[in-house]
Amino acid sequence: GAVVSQHPSWVICKSGTSVKIECRSLDFQATTMFWYRQFPKQSLMLMATSNEGSKATYEQGVEKDKFLINHASLTLSTLTVTSAHPEDSSFYICSASGGTSGSSYEQYFGPGTRLTVT
Amino acid sequence: AQRVTQPEKLLSVFKGAPVELKCNYSYSGSPELFWYVQYSRQRLQLLLRHISRESIKGFTADLNKGETSFHLKKPFAQEEDSAMYYCALSVTGGFKTIFGAGTRLFVKA
Repeated sequence: GAVVSQHPSWVICKSGTSVKIECRSLDFQATTMFWYRQFPKQSLMLMATSNEGSKATYEQGVEKDKFLINHASLTLSTLTVTSAHPEDSSFYICSASGGTSGSSYEQYFGPGTRLTVT
Repeated sequence: AQRVTQPEKLLSVFKGAPVELKCNYSYSGSPELFWYVQYSRQRLQLLLRHISRESIKGFTADLNKGETSFHLKKPFAQEEDSAMYYCALSVTGGFKTIFGAGTRLFVKA
């Protein structure tokens, strides 16, 4: 149990366009979802935390107008990278917590989405 | 400030040797600590959490509040233990997790 999926797994887009990444909890209801960014050979950097039906809480230094997060249901959160630029190229990972799959503190991670902006 | 420090970026040991991955944290409240592991081409997954006091795949980790440490240990490393290991601190009632920089463990045959 406690499976989290992400779609797409890999996307290439042109500079200036927007890209939407989906994160779904497949077999549990995620009260909280997290979005991370991971640069090559570096740790995960928390971008934002979202609770279903509420506005996301962004970490310091993360532009909320650039990285739009929507958590419309207990099983789906989306991250939209608006007006993407090459420096936004990165590996984006979502995780989810909540439900009855275990500790509410444990996070279940998606496989990640690699974004390349040309 | 809340912080997780993993001082070693890379740890290389021989198969059968003991291994210890270091983790120190900084947090004024009561910490919830975890070790996550990422095997090659796989997603990040929970290895163990301090409240469970369990041994997973032969790994154990003890929370030492005096030294603010949560080191991960295994007495006899196996090749399949080669992976990236992240120490993580959960704060604010579990709504935020801070990850360390990670340690890549390489177990040589």
